[in-house]
Amino acid sequence: NAGVMQNPRHLVRRRGQEARLRCSPMKGHSHVYWYRQLPEEGLKFMVYLQKENIIDESGMPKERFSAEFPKEGPSILRIQQVVRGDSAAYFCASSGSEETQYFGPGTRLLVL
Amino acid sequence: GENVEQHPSTLSVQEGDSAVIKCTYSDSASNYFPWYKQELGKRPQLIIDIRSNVGEKKDQRIAVTLNKTAKHFSLHITETQPEDSAVYFCAATPGGAQKLVFGQGTRLTINP
Repeated sequence: NAGVMQNPRHLVRRRGQEARLRCSPMKGHSHVYWYRQLPEEGLKFMVYLQKENIIDESGMPKERFSAEFPKEGPSILRIQQVVRGDSAAYFCASSGSEETQYFGPGTRLLVL
Repeated sequence: GENVEQHPSTLSVQEGDSAVIKCTYSDSASNYFPWYKQELGKRPQLIIDIRSNVGEKKDQRIAVTLNKTAKHFSLHITETQPEDSAVYFCAATPGGAQKLVFGQGTRLTINP
C-alpha cells in the first residue's frame, strides 16, 4: 500500500517562472492538504481539497498560488511567477474518513 | 484563529532519561492533537495522537497527556535512545476545521 507520493522531490526555478508540484494521496484517501515549511521553521497550512473542490484555502497567498484536485489524477499546487521567498519545502498530506493526516516526502523548491 | 505554542525549542537529554515537550492551544473547540517526528530532510511522521474525549494515551515508550481545561497537551518519551533525536511538532485541529495548526517545533538531541 503506497503512501503519499509527491513529485518532483526537488525543483529549481528562476524568478518569474512557474512551479507545479504534484501530490497523489494514499489509496482510499479523498482529502488532500498542502503545507509549506520554511527552513528551520514549522509547517504552515495552505489549502485543503477534496476531489474537484477546494474546502479551505485560508492559508493560501491571494496571488500567484493556486491548487486543484481533479476527478482524475494527482492534486496540483501551482505557483506562478516565483520569487526567492517561495523557496521552501512543500508537503502534501492525505487523510481518509478520520482526521489522521499522513505526509508525503515533500518537494523542495529552490528559486534562483 | 487557532494558535499553538510549543516549548522548549531545543531539548538535550542523556540517553535513557525521559523527555517532555509541552504545547498550549488557544481554541477551546480544538478536538484532535497529533504529534509528528521529523528527521532532517524527511517527511513529518505521525508518532501518536489524542482526541479531546481522552486524557491520556500511551504507545510503548511514548505517551501523550491532554488537559482540556488548561488547554495544553504534552509528549512524554521514556528511556530515550539516540534514534529519538529529531524535531518534534505538536499540532491541533481548530473546531469545525480539518487543517492542522502546528507548533514551532522542538529539536530533541539524545546524548549517548
